[in-house]
Amino acid sequence: AQTVTQSQPEMSVQEAETVTLSCTYDTSENNYYLFWYKQPPSRQMILVIRQEAYKQQNATENRFSVNFQKAAKSFSLKISDSQLGDTAMYFCAFMKQGFGNEKLTFGTGTRLTIIP
Amino acid sequence: DGGITQSPKYLFRKEGQNVTLSCEQNLNHDAMYWYRQDPGQGLRLIYYSQIVNDFQKGDIAEGYSVSREKKESFPLTVTSAQKNPTAFYLCASSSPFGGLWDGYTFGSGTRLTVV
Repeated sequence: AQTVTQSQPEMSVQEAETVTLSCTYDTSENNYYLFWYKQPPSRQMILVIRQEAYKQQNATENRFSVNFQKAAKSFSLKISDSQLGDTAMYFCAFMKQGFGNEKLTFGTGTRLTIIP
Repeated sequence: DGGITQSPKYLFRKEGQNVTLSCEQNLNHDAMYWYRQDPGQGLRLIYYSQIVNDFQKGDIAEGYSVSREKKESFPLTVTSAQKNPTAFYLCASSSPFGGLWDGYTFGSGTRLTVV
């Protein structure tokens, strides 16, 4: 079974600063996907970024980027130039590679607050 | 627009009652999932269905039941056997077909409270 660990229950940062959220995972699979989801106060889950394990290049989406270290089983999320709208719960998630309808395993989340 | 609709948004249940949470999708997705969210515990998988008329237990299935009679619908029943049902419930769907695959599409959730 896979496990996902987010060791930072809460974080806060000043607006416009950079913040990094940590995530580690444990798996015996070699092929898998990793995701970061954002859950704002509306509680709607929003996909932030995804990484395929077979890709060595770290994924980036505008101000969001990841540091994927496969050997260390680490998958951190960096948010640059943070904005008030980034205030949310952030969940790291793991999915083994299959036919696209596999189970997502989530971490316990990090509550991020952006301070004006 | 395609998406997932969960209803109701808020639901109150008396002790000993069964309640059913609705989840409908018009994305033509094959797979559907139910997750429970509690503070400090992230999202935990209750049940999932990869195809019509078939479903599997997730990590915390006790006290819950589901059906998948139609591709579009995956209702979750919270039975009286569920000892602590107060939580936020999220439904999701996914499909491996049709271009770029971005994981799950989530509904907006149902907040269930036992009174």
